[in-house]
Amino acid sequence: GAVVSQHPSRVICKSGTSVKIECRSLDFQATTMFWYRQFPKQSLMLMATSNEGSKATYEQGVEKDKFLINHASLTLSTLTVTSAHPEDSSFYICSAAPGTGYTDTQYFGPGTRLTVL
Amino acid sequence: LAKTTQPISMDSYEGQEVNITCSHNNIATNDYITWYQQFPSQGPRFIIQGYKTKVTNEVASLFIPADRKSSTLSLPRVSLSDTAVYYCLVGAAGGYQKVTFGIGTKLQVIP
Repeated sequence: GAVVSQHPSRVICKSGTSVKIECRSLDFQATTMFWYRQFPKQSLMLMATSNEGSKATYEQGVEKDKFLINHASLTLSTLTVTSAHPEDSSFYICSAAPGTGYTDTQYFGPGTRLTVL
Repeated sequence: LAKTTQPISMDSYEGQEVNITCSHNNIATNDYITWYQQFPSQGPRFIIQGYKTKVTNEVASLFIPADRKSSTLSLPRVSLSDTAVYYCLVGAAGGYQKVTFGIGTKLQVIP
């Protein structure tokens, strides 16, 4: 199956700093990638849709100036958490699909554990 | 996006067959049904996808009745390593389509 990677797998930072998370599709190109956030014992919540070459589309309630998304190429999307605070501590997961066909499946990255002190 | 309803949790002994049912009364004509498995601190892993009747792969089977208002994921002879959260998702399955996760079913396999 298609492989999606994320880097770093975990990061600890001080409050007020910015953190960048990378999401890569290793063996396929993805025009669209998705970013999710998951708090402990909760389900995944979609944050935004990352579109190659254009602006990301954010879900309601997600601050676009705080969670900067850049989809610079067909294999890389980055999520930057700016001025991180403890409440931003969470598990961030990206996903992508290898095609645009009707039954193409979303493949998920392994996730990035962010801890803000 | 069709809303889904699943049991919050299930327990099963090792070696048993486990069936997890998902209700999706508002499923649209173009919607597919996809199941994912998630272990703690990992991203979801695709298990199986179907549109109608029955789909089987090396991991599981998916049963979908004619009205498509529900679906059942069947895991044969579960082992301890199958302890995870299982999500049922309904929607257009294309690569551009965003998906919405419900609460999922926490399956605990007991030795």
